[in-house]
Amino acid sequence: DSGVTQTPKHLITATGQRVTLRCSPRSGDLSVYWYQQSLDQGLQFLIQYYNGEERAKGNILERFSAQQFPDLHSELNLSSLELGDSALYFCASSVEGEAQATYEQYFGPGTRLTVT
Amino acid sequence: GIQVEQSPPDLILQEGANSTLRCNFSDSVNNLQWFHQNPWGQLINLFYIPSGTKQNGRLSATTVATERYSLLYISSSQTTDSGVYFCAGPGYSSASKIIFGSGTRLSIRP
Repeated sequence: DSGVTQTPKHLITATGQRVTLRCSPRSGDLSVYWYQQSLDQGLQFLIQYYNGEERAKGNILERFSAQQFPDLHSELNLSSLELGDSALYFCASSVEGEAQATYEQYFGPGTRLTVT
Repeated sequence: GIQVEQSPPDLILQEGANSTLRCNFSDSVNNLQWFHQNPWGQLINLFYIPSGTKQNGRLSATTVATERYSLLYISSSQTTDSGVYFCAGPGYSSASKIIFGSGTRLSIRP
């Protein structure tokens, strides 16, 4: 158990809908990362938050947004869902210091999203 | 941006065999992680190894940062070692904070 929790584990929804994925980092970790893993794209970095602020932004679609709350949990919002958004979404957390550095990350169990 | 290549892409072994997985980077890295994704999709941390060698049971890893590669050794393979092994390193840009390789799919036959 990495100490990172994600809910829900599975989500099935229809095209055009909106969903929210939730992540709680390990105790003491200030940084949260979101990743998307699809069959044809592999593991893709989406976005990172550090202590409530966006720190790095990767291949995140405009239909997707995220935030980190004062209690450090994070939510990833996916809207206007398309079939191609079906994927495994991972959250990871780390102790972070310098913005340009990278640190050991611990991954949650993932949320499997199926868009029908 | 930085490129990460893993080899081999697929590996099928009998239980008890040893294996070496390789991760090459297009630029020097100051940290690197190895992960195992089991058949249920969980990503499990194996090693955080910016340089040098680390061992954990039947697994060990070596990173030679100056030569831009890392190796993961699995000895006396067990069926529970099956899955996909990923290495990941820094992308050195905000848009590519972490770069994952495409993975090595390992299948251990009983």
